Amino acid sequence: VLTQSPGTLSLSPGKSASLSCRASQTFNSGLLSWYQQKPGQAPTLLIYGASKRAPGIPDRFSGSGSGTDFTLTIDGVEPEDSALYYCQRYGGSPPITFGQGTRLEIE
Amino acid sequence: QVTLRESGPALVKPTQTLTLTCTFSGFSLSTPGMSVSWIRQTPGKALEWLALIDWDDDKYYNTSLKTRLTISKDTSRNQVVLTMTYIDPLDTATYYCARLGVAIGYYFDYWGQGTLVTVSS
Repeated sequence: VLTQSPGTLSLSPGKSASLSCRASQTFNSGLLSWYQQKPGQAPTLLIYGASKRAPGIPDRFSGSGSGTDFTLTIDGVEPEDSALYYCQRYGGSPPITFGQGTRLEIE
Repeated sequence: QVTLRESGPALVKPTQTLTLTCTFSGFSLSTPGMSVSWIRQTPGKALEWLALIDWDDDKYYNTSLKTRLTISKDTSRNQVVLTMTYIDPLDTATYYCARLGVAIGYYFDYWGQGTLVTVSS
């Protein structure tokens, strides 16, 4: 099980966002990914291997963590960062698990 | 260029069987390590992984839905098909297919645009 917090995060432009993803069991950080989903769109990959940015992702997005605790940080949020954010684990049974998501609102 | 596209009925009656097809291009599901998953998102809710089929025809299912799901592939036609039996209004969702290649990484790098399925009588 992956538990994301907070459920909703409201920030002003320019602030830093910290999104948490906590696993019920420790696992290899190489198996942890983060996705962004904007309304009406499919999710897009942001971070893989817990800390590697996907191609084309701005460097204000960063990932960190190990074991059971992982964090997606967005430094200097912009209005376009308003979206849902999901963590995902590969491996175990079942082989794919998503967190329940964090809604980021930039006001 | 990798693309995936979901197709299927937009409206399904309760108790019927839903059949969805994912047609992809730009990669082969016979490549070792390659897999395609089905993922759904009910309105206002989180992503829910449903099923995965890999290059070796191994199949994995969401534990709570496995009795209702069947995933299959037609490598020659570059298609992955998901069937879901005993459809219920709670199955109303946008259904996505997505590629994951373990030789590339343990993540979904390409997604279809999704297809909305409404379950209603």
